[in-house]
Amino acid sequence: AQSVAQPEDQVNVAEGNPLTVKCTYSVSGNPYLFWYVQYPNRGLQFLLKYITGDNLVKGSYGFEAEFNKSQTSFHLKKPSALVSDSALYFCAVRPGWDSNYQLIWGAGTKLIIKP
Amino acid sequence: EAQVTQNPRYLITVTGKKLTVTCSQNMNHEYMSWYRQDPGLGLRQIYYSMNVEVTDKGDVPEGYKVSRKEKRNFPLILESPSPNQTSLYFCASSLSLGELFFGEGSRLTVL
Repeated sequence: AQSVAQPEDQVNVAEGNPLTVKCTYSVSGNPYLFWYVQYPNRGLQFLLKYITGDNLVKGSYGFEAEFNKSQTSFHLKKPSALVSDSALYFCAVRPGWDSNYQLIWGAGTKLIIKP
Repeated sequence: EAQVTQNPRYLITVTGKKLTVTCSQNMNHEYMSWYRQDPGLGLRQIYYSMNVEVTDKGDVPEGYKVSRKEKRNFPLILESPSPNQTSLYFCASSLSLGELFFGEGSRLTVL
């Protein structure tokens, strides 16, 4: 079965330190990969996506993610964390660019940035 | 302002009392979808629509209905709500199969 894993329920980082939120996937074909963020009591917001090309993609709020095909991973990173980055982060994968392919979602990772 | 609007944002109801959660987008998006979010389970898709008059079941469609009579609206209907439908619901839309735009969510409690 196709799946997306976010192996950490929660990640704690001190403000100013680099952060990584992990995502691995198991899907067939060439996937399209997304990261979304959910702030408390808000809807999800798109952060960034990988479709093709450079494995390092940059997105909103200073976030970036690296696509690693051999490790089937798409980890979210930021060089210097801010307290305001504290939120719930979701990785999502679309198995291909076919209209029948719906997004497969990870369970989410709660990111806590401590001052 | 481009947005997806859901109503109501909060609702407490009783078992069996039909309710509708409305969703409207002003971006002329073809694709719309409903999700529910439950602790520990992440996001689960209920129904989606590729275009007007085209709807398909997602992963957890039981107990829900949808309609897509016009491009901008995609209401979620609970004909006979039950307590296990207590959840946080999100509507989302996208222009193609790209990034989704989400509404602010509708928190439903069924007693």
